[in-house]
Amino acid sequence: EDKVVQSPLSLVVHEGDTVTLNCSYEVTNFRSLLWYKQEKKAPTFLFMLTSSGIEKKSGRLSSILDKKELFSILNITATQTGDSAVYLCAAGGTSYGKLTFGQGTILTVHP
Amino acid sequence: KAGVTQTPRYLIKTRGQQVTLSCSPISGHRSVSWYQQTPGQGLQFLFEYFSETQRNKGNFPGRFSGRQFSNSRSEMNVSTLELGDSALYLCASSLGLAAYQETQYFGPGTRLLVL
Repeated sequence: EDKVVQSPLSLVVHEGDTVTLNCSYEVTNFRSLLWYKQEKKAPTFLFMLTSSGIEKKSGRLSSILDKKELFSILNITATQTGDSAVYLCAAGGTSYGKLTFGQGTILTVHP
Repeated sequence: KAGVTQTPRYLIKTRGQQVTLSCSPISGHRSVSWYQQTPGQGLQFLFEYFSETQRNKGNFPGRFSGRQFSNSRSEMNVSTLELGDSALYLCASSLGLAAYQETQYFGPGTRLLVL
């Protein structure tokens, strides 16, 4: 059965800190790893990773995939209170339309 | 471009009733996936539709069903509601041209409460 595990489950930091969120996966015929941010509403898309070792970056957020070790990390530098959210990791294989999600990491950033 | 829309946003039902939720994908997207999100189980895949055909189904009982119309809008139906069906139901749309490596964009969800 496909499985995605995120760690830590929750994290409390202060503004300006750097955080690293972890995601490991076991998905049949793995093809893509996605990160979403959820703030009490629809998950909003952050990154999709399909190749190992290639970092994707958007502002203070970056992510990388390791297909050999079956994990991905999401880094957030210089955190702001607006980064407080649940960060979801999801993995997709060749199964139509199906993403397998992790439990999410609850990030709380204090001023 | 308008995002994914879902109606209604909130719903309260009683056990035994049935409910229909609606999802309109991003214009040009032909694939719609449905997910159930609960605090205990997280986001779980229900099913996916493309060109009015169900291509994939998750591990949910037959009380959960769906359909897709020619304009790619999709509905999901839950019959004989149980307390455990209380959840946030999310739909996501994508182009649907490949089985993988496509980003799914989520709607705001329908929050269903079963009393």
